[in-house]
Amino acid sequence: QKEVEQNSGPLSVPEGAIASLNCTYSDRGSQSFFWYRQYSGKSPELIMSIYSNGDKEDGRFTAQLNKASQYVSLLIRDSQPSDSATYLCAGPLPCFYGNNRLAFGKGNQVVVIP
Amino acid sequence: DAGITQSPRHKVTETGTPVTLRCHQTENHRYMYWYRQDPGHGLRLIHYSYGVKDTDKGEVSDGYSVSRSKTEDFLLTLESATSSQTSVYFCAISEPGLPRGSEQFFGPGTRLTVL
Repeated sequence: QKEVEQNSGPLSVPEGAIASLNCTYSDRGSQSFFWYRQYSGKSPELIMSIYSNGDKEDGRFTAQLNKASQYVSLLIRDSQPSDSATYLCAGPLPCFYGNNRLAFGKGNQVVVIP
Repeated sequence: DAGITQSPRHKVTETGTPVTLRCHQTENHRYMYWYRQDPGHGLRLIHYSYGVKDTDKGEVSDGYSVSRSKTEDFLLTLESATSSQTSVYFCAISEPGLPRGSEQFFGPGTRLTVL
């Protein structure tokens, strides 16, 4: 298993609905995870960081970390067309906790349909 | 883009020529990274630096070298460009230290085409 995996295909959601993205990770010692948003042709932008088990909310975004099940998720409430992008999950690389290396998932494309 | 610039933003070059990409930051972050992003592969780390003159290899370092002579600048050199190095290259920075030390911030990217 890769360090961080995003297995879902493209996600289409109607405007105003909730978009749900999931990411699994292999290292039980990982403490922190990140969600990046990447618009087509642009660079990844950090939108959520989560450092402890449970939920973290920021505006319409909620990140959830479940260490027992080794997954992290991102919920986008009241989805807007401007949320249409690829979302990347990232977590620390095992054995590299001291030098800030991250493993990235391949990303999930979200399309919000007006 | 968190005070990060990359130059050039676009470049077309020919196979066999050397190419240098520059990343410049104004955040005084200690760590700097070079990634490439390709369809189907996601973001892959090429090299990174954890201080001036301190660098290490990432997962796809063959054919690339880096240098960091100042905190603010991190250079990526393709010694002899090949078509397989056609990609989008991103620079990222981070500053170690809990609790937010692992956060990385990305530059705008350089689109490189090797003909």
